[in-house]
Amino acid sequence: DTEVTQTPKHLVMGMTNKKSLKCEQHMGHRAMYWYKQKAKKPPELMFVYSYEKLSINESVPSRFSPECPNSSLLNLHLHALQPEDSALYLCASSPGQGTNEKLFFGSGTQLSVL
Amino acid sequence: GDSVTQMEGPVTLSEEAFLTINCTYTATGYPSLFWYVQYPGEGLQLLLKATKADDKGSNKGFEATYRKETTSFHLEKGSVQVSDSAVYFCALIEGSGGSYIPTFGRGTSLIVHP
Repeated sequence: DTEVTQTPKHLVMGMTNKKSLKCEQHMGHRAMYWYKQKAKKPPELMFVYSYEKLSINESVPSRFSPECPNSSLLNLHLHALQPEDSALYLCASSPGQGTNEKLFFGSGTQLSVL
Repeated sequence: GDSVTQMEGPVTLSEEAFLTINCTYTATGYPSLFWYVQYPGEGLQLLLKATKADDKGSNKGFEATYRKETTSFHLEKGSVQVSDSAVYFCALIEGSGGSYIPTFGRGTSLIVHP
C-alpha cells in the first residue's frame, strides 16, 4: 500500500462550523505533513509531525488544530474558519523528517468556507 | 534561505512537441532535487528526482539532469501527449543541517493540444 488517503474529498462549511479533515497512511512513514494550496500556487507548509509529535508549526492561526492520534493517522480540526481559508488541503507523508526522501501526497480535501 | 525559481506558465504545446520547463535553485548546501506533477483535482506525485551532481532522473519519458555548476534542474520530454497536461513543480530538499522540508517552485502549467 503506497497511498495516502484523505477524507472527505470535498467539504463546504460555514464560518461557525466545526469540522475535521482526516489523513491515513499504512506505509510505516514516521513524518506526516499538512499543506494548504491555493489555486495556481505551490503548496504552503502548515504543520509537520515527526514520530507523532508536532515538530513544525508554520505560524498557522489557531482556528486550525492538528492532531496525530497514532503513526498512521493525521487529523486537521477546523473551527471558525474564514472565507480566505478556502483552499485545497493536502496531507503528505515521508519515511522520516530527517531524510531527503520524497513525499507521498494524498489527493487532498477541497474546502470551501461560506 | 533556499529557493526554487521556475519559468512562468502556462506553457502551451501541440502534441508530439518538445518540452522544456526551466528550474534553477539557490541552496546553502547540497540539496536533492525533485520534479512533482499535479493533475487536475489531485495531489502532487513525484515524477523524478536526482540526489547528486550530474545525476539524471527519468520517468515516463521525462528527464532532468542535476547541474551543480549552473544550479539548474530543467525538465525535458521529447514528445508530449495531451495526457501530460498538468502543473509541474520543481522542488529541493536540503539535509545535513537543513530542515529536510521541501522548498517548492511556483509551478508551471503545461497545456498540450491535440
